[in-house]
Amino acid sequence: KAGVTQTPRYLIKTRGQQVTLSCSPISGHRSVSWYQQTPGQGLQFLFEYFSETQRNKGNFPGRFSGRQFSNSRSEMNVSTLELGDSALYLCASSSGPSNTEAFFGQGTRLTVV
Amino acid sequence: ELKVEQNPLFLSMQEGKNYTIYCNYSTTSDRLYWYRQDPGKSLESLFVLLSNGAVKQEGRLMASLDTKARLSTLHITAAVHDLSATYFCAVDGGTDKLIFGTGTRLQVFP
Repeated sequence: KAGVTQTPRYLIKTRGQQVTLSCSPISGHRSVSWYQQTPGQGLQFLFEYFSETQRNKGNFPGRFSGRQFSNSRSEMNVSTLELGDSALYLCASSSGPSNTEAFFGQGTRLTVV
Repeated sequence: ELKVEQNPLFLSMQEGKNYTIYCNYSTTSDRLYWYRQDPGKSLESLFVLLSNGAVKQEGRLMASLDTKARLSTLHITAAVHDLSATYFCAVDGGTDKLIFGTGTRLQVFP
């Protein structure tokens, strides 16, 4: 079956702009979570959605937001981009509702210049 | 706050040798995951450990979980070059939230 699909794979944005990343989970999976990976901070949890509801949020500023649609696809948005937002953003899907194996997409590499 | 520590951070080992990566975590959790990441790639699920005493093996890798000690190990037997990658452990932080360790970068040389 198809895996987790993230688009786009690469993005270059300028400081102050905003960006939207997309994640399509494995068919039948209802939980989608997002992670930021940087060399300095490692892998950090951003937020998690299940059935269109945000159930958990990490320690990130309000510039980071997300949503989930009725087909379980999810988007995350980052507004007013800063240089420090440059990272690999990974999306994971699981069948949910909690504590099940998570499968990761290929990620979106965001570079802020 | 749940914290996850891995050691070592870097591991350079010769082919054919054995070694163990350690993952310690700070609060009670019955679920622990191991992932592999190749450079520039995503995370590949290796093992899901769901109970105290769980042991799983796949090829040259074996993972175990001791929930009382809050410790998981990933043991590498007779390392080969193809195992070169970064290995992460992750602990369930509730509601599909994973708290990741710092990662162990493994390099296997001839």
